Amino acid sequence: DAKTTQPPSMDCAEGRAANLPCNHSTISGNEYVYWYRQIHSQGPQYIIHGLKNNETNEMASLIITEDRKSSTLILPHATLRDTAVYYCIVRPSNQAGTALIFGKGTTLSVSS
Amino acid sequence: DGGITQSPKYLFRKEGQNVTLSCEQNLNHDAMYWYRQDPGQGLRLIYYSQIVNDFQKGDIAEGYSVSREKKESFPLTVTSAQKNPTAFYLCASSINLSAYEQYFGPGTRLTVT
Repeated sequence: DAKTTQPPSMDCAEGRAANLPCNHSTISGNEYVYWYRQIHSQGPQYIIHGLKNNETNEMASLIITEDRKSSTLILPHATLRDTAVYYCIVRPSNQAGTALIFGKGTTLSVSS
Repeated sequence: DGGITQSPKYLFRKEGQNVTLSCEQNLNHDAMYWYRQDPGQGLRLIYYSQIVNDFQKGDIAEGYSVSREKKESFPLTVTSAQKNPTAFYLCASSINLSAYEQYFGPGTRLTVT
């Protein structure tokens, strides 16, 4: 079973920031938080990951709470092409044989 | 360009027939994976391989088989024993099993009637 909880859907206006929450209250100390997204009928795409510090790359920012029980993925200026299903995943980094466990994710709809 | 290719994009088969889905990568990755996705659902792991000639069952391996004779290739066979084979199949690879990022192919949509 997925170890994360995400809202099933969210809406966002084009050009505005999209803030996608994820709850992972049972996360262990050695588990990272990963975010992937899947555009309709395509393979998932890696976005970002983090352990406890906030992270930023060219695609998004990841904010992890101090207790690490939840996180937020931020798309600073959402575009129509950001419409996709966003998956939040927790996984230990040092455990061989652990593939990614994808839940149902959050369907983000960006509209003009 | 480096990446993962899956072929074909769409595949149709009659019930009772085995079918093999192709997955090739030129990223020089050691680890490869097969996932299944059903409508409105997340991805579920079928098989994974961390090195040539080695592979492990995932969560839903029953009715499927794989081989890893070459580093670049990880074909998946959907056998007639798979009770509900119609689904979207995704292949992925990563540098190793512990790598942060998995790279996914475009997927194969299999329809069995």
